[in-house]
Amino acid sequence: GAGVSQSPSNKVTEKGKDVELRCDPISGHTALYWYRQSLGQGLEFLIYFQGNSAPDKSGLPSDRFSAERTGGSVSTLTIQRTQQEDSAVYLCASSLAGASADTQYFGPGTRLTVL
Amino acid sequence: SQQGEEDPQALSIQEGENATMNCSYKTSINNLQWYRQNSGRGLVHLILIRSNEREKHSGRLRVTLDTSKKSSSLLITASRAADTASYFCATDGNTPLVFGKGTRLSVIA
Repeated sequence: GAGVSQSPSNKVTEKGKDVELRCDPISGHTALYWYRQSLGQGLEFLIYFQGNSAPDKSGLPSDRFSAERTGGSVSTLTIQRTQQEDSAVYLCASSLAGASADTQYFGPGTRLTVL
Repeated sequence: SQQGEEDPQALSIQEGENATMNCSYKTSINNLQWYRQNSGRGLVHLILIRSNEREKHSGRLRVTLDTSKKSSSLLITASRAADTASYFCATDGNTPLVFGKGTRLSVIA
């Protein structure tokens, strides 16, 4: 079966523009996570979806960031009015049930560059 | 804030040598996981150790956990050039997983 896919793989945008990043999780996985990784840094948790529960948005750095997950599957991370400090690799992961012991399966990431 | 802190930040060894990476964390955990990342892209799960376990093996990997010291170590034996990657520990903090900044391992052939 297919793994987690993300699109686009690379995105270059101008400061102030909005961007949308897409994540297709593994079929059947109820939990979906978004992380951000700046150059040479660890992963910064952004948002977590689990089934039909309200998402955990505690990691979103500002109100310019939002995410939705339609039909319990595909997720879109939207960054409005992008800033240069938003430049990073955005990683999506999914897991079977969202338990802390579950293995998270990562996509290849979207490298965002804000000029 | 990040829960896990890996040490060292970077490690360079010769092929065939063993590589040891350490992870320290701050609050109580239920389990700790190690992940590997190649070329700044997606992470791959390596191994999970539960809080009631002290040591776990998987192939050339050996993980230890000392909950009294809030630390874990990852040992890669008989390293290969293909082991070159960044290695992250992840703990179950208040969010599903909290990742450290990673150890960058370079294995020189």
